[in-house]
Formats: sequence, C-alpha cells, structure tokens
Amino acid sequence: GENVEQHPSTLSVQEGDSAVIKCTYSDSASNYFPWYKQELGKRPQLIIDIRSNVGEKKDQRIAVTLNKTAKHFSLHITETQPEDSAVYFCAASQGYGGSQGNLIFGKGTKLSVKP
Amino acid sequence: GAVVSQHPSWVICKSGTSVKIECRSLDFQATTMFWYRQFPKQSLMLMATSNEGSKATYEQGVEKDKFLINHASLTLSTLTVTSAHPEDSSFYICSARAGQSPHTFGSGTRLTVV
Repeated sequence: GENVEQHPSTLSVQEGDSAVIKCTYSDSASNYFPWYKQELGKRPQLIIDIRSNVGEKKDQRIAVTLNKTAKHFSLHITETQPEDSAVYFCAASQGYGGSQGNLIFGKGTKLSVKP
Repeated sequence: GAVVSQHPSWVICKSGTSVKIECRSLDFQATTMFWYRQFPKQSLMLMATSNEGSKATYEQGVEKDKFLINHASLTLSTLTVTSAHPEDSSFYICSARAGQSPHTFGSGTRLTVV
C-alpha cells in the first residue's frame, strides 16, 4: 500500500521567512496530493492540492511542487505570519480515475512562526 | 461550500459501554465516507472506507466487530465504538466525498473512555 513520509517533524521560522515541508510517496499510482493545515483539536483544512498531471501550483503565499519521477512533493509558504503556526499534513491518494481516493497522510510538521 | 457535520464533538463514556458518532453531509450526497483516528500529536490514520448501502472496507489492524460503521444513506454515516476501553480514547474524524470531489472533513469527536 501507499506510504507517505514527511519532513521535518518540526519547523521554526521567523515571521516573514519562507517555510518548506517535503513529502515522499511510494505508490506510483497515486495521482492526487493535498496539503492540510490542522489547528489543535480542529478538523484538517485543505490549503492547496495538486494533481499528478501538474508540476506546480500556487495560491498567493502558498505553493506546491510535484516531482512524479522522484515521487516527492513539497509545500512552500512564503512571507510566513504567526497565524500560519499549525500542524501541516501532506497526503497522497488515487483520488482520480475511478478510485475511492483514500487519503494516506504523512506524520505531520509542526510549524512555529515567531514574531 | 460542502459541509460535513459531526456529532458529538466530545464524549466521555465508561469502559465497556458503546458510543455512536454521526457524520452528516449537509449540502451534498456523500457517495463515499471515510473514518480516521488521530492520537495526540500523531497523524490521521484511516480506519475504514464506506460506500452508501455497502459494507465498510476496514484497514489492516482495525477490528470491524469493534468499530461498527453504517452508511445507510447518502448523507449519513455512523461509527459505533463497541465495548470501549481507555485505549480507544482518541480523536475520531470523518470525511466525505461526492464522486471525485476533494474530501470534506467533519469537525471531529474527542472520545475519552474512563
């Protein structure tokens, strides 16, 4: 089955700096890669996602890149703000093409943005 | 946007009793629902996947007789934790999809078994 590795487990940056979180996946059949932000005790919030037919996607301060050959994808947050502090999870699934699309999550990265 | 309502948000129960958690899709028909468990400071672990009107598919290591999942309609799925024990204390969260739409998560249920 799919296995998703996520690094680093914790990340501390100064406000205004960039933050990068990296994930690798094992199943070449995975074709959908969402990123979630989760605050303590709350539901995960989808912040950006990318399909396997795209190499990069950007939404304001957030971007995701995907390297299908190497089976890794990364989240980039620029101009970080204290409110970006949370736990971020990457996930992989065969979400498109007829599969039910189970999400397999990475272990999470606790991002702390210091004012 | 799509909304999934999950109840209760927290529950405390005695060891040996059963607890039912509900997830409802409020404004869409959820063809597939997923149940996850999240222990403190850990990731979300998929427990099972259910399609409306079918038996749930459980992940390896998840006891189907202990975690009963019912997906009786396109808007409702329930998870019943039977004979709960302290080690079942966790954050349980559902998600739902309509076809190939992105997952919509419920707000989660904090279960504490005493």
